[in-house]
Amino acid sequence: DAGVTQSPTHLIKTRGQQVTLRCSPKSGHDTVSWYQQALGQGPQFIFQYYEEEERQRGNFPDRFSGHQFPNYSSELNVNALLLGDSALYLCASSRQGGYTFGSGTRLTVV
Amino acid sequence: GESVGLHLPTLSVQEGDNSIINCAYSNSASDYFIWYKQESGKGPQFIIDIRSNMDKRQGQRVTVLLNKTVKHLSLQIAATQPGDSAVYFCAEIEISGGYNKLIFGAGTRLAVHP
Repeated sequence: DAGVTQSPTHLIKTRGQQVTLRCSPKSGHDTVSWYQQALGQGPQFIFQYYEEEERQRGNFPDRFSGHQFPNYSSELNVNALLLGDSALYLCASSRQGGYTFGSGTRLTVV
Repeated sequence: GESVGLHLPTLSVQEGDNSIINCAYSNSASDYFIWYKQESGKGPQFIIDIRSNMDKRQGQRVTVLLNKTVKHLSLQIAATQPGDSAVYFCAEIEISGGYNKLIFGAGTRLAVHP
């Protein structure tokens, strides 16, 4: 049984560019949450998707947007990248509260 | 929202010793707490959880203690092994509008020395 799968594993982008990160949830999970983890810090909640809608959002600007597809997979989009967006982006899937995390996408903005 | 924090950023122990990692939380309404282990290059991995109606819960080599009076959590690892070296996070479930989300603290790095 595959767990949470994220792609790509690593990514380097230039300041001002746009990026799309992808997440496939664990089988049987219907909710996807995205987190940003800066180096040496704990994960910070970005937003959560359920039934293809954003139902909770953390303190992140509108440059961060997402989408959930009918098969429950999800994308995180970040526009107008800043150097400070460099971080590990984690996807967590859940169903009624039991969270499983992927290994993340390491984004470096140069 | 309110945050979950940790007392110690780094903990070094000898192999075979017991480890204790502490965490303070500020949201007295939280009723579900989770400890995660994160190894380099990996996502957080569930270790053990505890609900607010419990004071203690034991797993395999791990014990979580909850003191609601002082809003304090601890994770005890018995007979610490080199494979336990990682960053440990406590997290709480915050419920808003009927939905839940995880809120993490900054983490404690556990270094196990032979």
